[in-house]
Amino acid sequence: DTGVSQNPRHKITKRGQNVTFRCDPISEHNRLYWYRQTLGQGPEFLTYFQNEAQLEKSRLLSDRFSAERPKGSFSTLEIQRTEQGDSAMYLCASSSGPWQETQYFGPGTRLLVL
Amino acid sequence: ELKVEQNPLFLSMQEGKNYTIYCNYSTTSDRLYWYRQDPGKSLESLFVLLSNGAVKQEGRLMASLDTKARLSTLHITAAVHDLSATYFCAVDWNQGAQKLVFGQGTRLTINP
Repeated sequence: DTGVSQNPRHKITKRGQNVTFRCDPISEHNRLYWYRQTLGQGPEFLTYFQNEAQLEKSRLLSDRFSAERPKGSFSTLEIQRTEQGDSAMYLCASSSGPWQETQYFGPGTRLLVL
Repeated sequence: ELKVEQNPLFLSMQEGKNYTIYCNYSTTSDRLYWYRQDPGKSLESLFVLLSNGAVKQEGRLMASLDTKARLSTLHITAAVHDLSATYFCAVDWNQGAQKLVFGQGTRLTINP
């Protein structure tokens, strides 16, 4: 399967713990996006990368959130000192860059903070 | 700040009927995307609309874009149960960076 993959698919953690999610985009895609989706809502943009460069971060992304894409391939999203409000589905998407193309979404990582 | 609004948010319809989902957005953009999401699943791309007057069709779904009215529609023809899902429109807010702003979604239920 050459689609976008995310790991883990589910994560339960206690408040105050750190968590890290991984996203592997479609191999030839140079753009990678992170979104957060809460129940009954549409996805909200968090940040995106063009190759290894992080080009934009949403105001939603507090200092506890950090994302990397060290070699322009896979990306990680880390949340430090998790809070119950961080509970959500974290979606990764990739695209080949030209604006004519759609973004392809991964299956998501569902985070529950107790 | 770009706002994207869909209506209706919930739609229950019978098989065989036609209906339209509306997507309004508040800031000029000529790039709009439609996605489908099944419960507990990720988003599946349906249509990419890239210019004023663009119309695309796939099976029983047809999407159109009117950039002057800042309106896109997703029309469902002769609905079948398999089309039950949540449908999202999303607007590219950043002129090609594909920083998408999504609507709230329309939860569509098609009853036999």
